Amino acid sequence: GAGVSQSPRYKVAKRGQDVALRCDPISGHVSLFWYQQALGQGPEFLTYFQNEAQLDKSGLPSDRFFAERPEGSVSTLKIQRTQQEDSAVYLCASSALTGGNTEAFFGQGTRLTVV
Amino acid sequence: QKEVEQDPGPLSVPEGAIVSLNCTYSNSAFQYFMWYRQYSRKGPELLMYTYSSGNKEDGRFTAQVDKSSKYISLFIRDSQPSDSATYLCAMTNAGNNRKLIWGLGTSLAVNP
Repeated sequence: GAGVSQSPRYKVAKRGQDVALRCDPISGHVSLFWYQQALGQGPEFLTYFQNEAQLDKSGLPSDRFFAERPEGSVSTLKIQRTQQEDSAVYLCASSALTGGNTEAFFGQGTRLTVV
Repeated sequence: QKEVEQDPGPLSVPEGAIVSLNCTYSNSAFQYFMWYRQYSRKGPELLMYTYSSGNKEDGRFTAQVDKSSKYISLFIRDSQPSDSATYLCAMTNAGNNRKLIWGLGTSLAVNP
């Protein structure tokens, strides 16, 4: 596709509900990143994939957060038993380079609101 | 104390002004320095990328890195209303460039 596509754009979840956020990276991009951006804050790193391998998940805030990229293209970020503090914009970025944050393209994000 | 400090503003300037945005950081291992622009309800867009110290110019934008002072700057010349956005600095070290560390972002308004 022309850019990184994320869906849904907006998600309202009741506290305790599970959610799944989808990222379609630019076709052929090797690297995929997930970031969490709280209101008025800069993005915070969550996890990094190189193809289907999750090489770094050090930023996932708890074991309620899980990410996968089974075929090395589309990725899903799943949050179980959502809490109010999970409310944020979740950004996905992809890059043609391995570990290539310097050339990463971001999607528009999914705005998650937990009520 | 955060690894990267950035004044959130807001900053308001008249059209045509020179804008100076900056960040300080504490991790001397950082070697890649980036500036992103983020419009409301959009994802960040890479503006400038600098490796190590020095200056880099691209059109109306100039990025400067002073590693001795752990200080980076972005200058915007002849600012336009379309430059109104949040500007975020981000940085990483050479060995771990999959994990960007970000500033809070500075909100800029350029008034016609």
